[in-house]
Amino acid sequence: AQSVAQPEDQVNVAEGNPLTVKCTYSVSGNPYLFWYVQYPNRGLQFLLKYITGDNLVKGSYGFEAEFNKSQTSFHLKKPSALVSDSALYFCAVKTNQAGTALIFGKGTTLSVSS
Amino acid sequence: DAGVIQSPRHEVTEMGQEVTLRCKPISGHNSLFWYRQTMMRGLELLIYFNNNVPIDDSGMPEDRFSAKMPNASFSTLKIQPSEPRDSAVYFCASSAGTGGGYTFGSGTRLTVV
Repeated sequence: AQSVAQPEDQVNVAEGNPLTVKCTYSVSGNPYLFWYVQYPNRGLQFLLKYITGDNLVKGSYGFEAEFNKSQTSFHLKKPSALVSDSALYFCAVKTNQAGTALIFGKGTTLSVSS
Repeated sequence: DAGVIQSPRHEVTEMGQEVTLRCKPISGHNSLFWYRQTMMRGLELLIYFNNNVPIDDSGMPEDRFSAKMPNASFSTLKIQPSEPRDSAVYFCASSAGTGGGYTFGSGTRLTVV
């Protein structure tokens, strides 16, 4: 079985400060890891993914995430937060086997204050 | 491409009525997924299709829920009869390949009164 945990319901940061949104996962085999963002009354938008290769993945809007196999983590980071980054962020995981679907964490609300 | 298209955007219905949600995936995507989002339970996978064939429907809450994908460009999620606890936002998503990211539709906000 696969699962993903986002331990923080909400993360608050000041504009210009670095941000981290945490994610840990459990999966049999090699994981495929994703981050999505959801703005109010909108669908989920893809930010970045890790499939294989370099553990540091760069994505949209200046976000990046680091895959850490030993800690089974895939934390989302950004060096300098913007007020417009305020949204709901989802981490998701699936196995590398065909015929499996993404399982999402419960989401973390990021609030960036000016 | 117009992306994943869901209809209707909003649906308000009375308890006991039948509700049908519709989805048109991105052309060329061979997998389609239905998710439900609520405050309490987050995003739940209901069912997904690969090449129009249902692969896993273990997330479907109960027999009142059914989903079909008659062809590569159309899928429906039906609830009959609907209940107030079915109120949620229902998302459809599609993807290409095992490692492909999912493209989500804008969702259908269902309210059952």
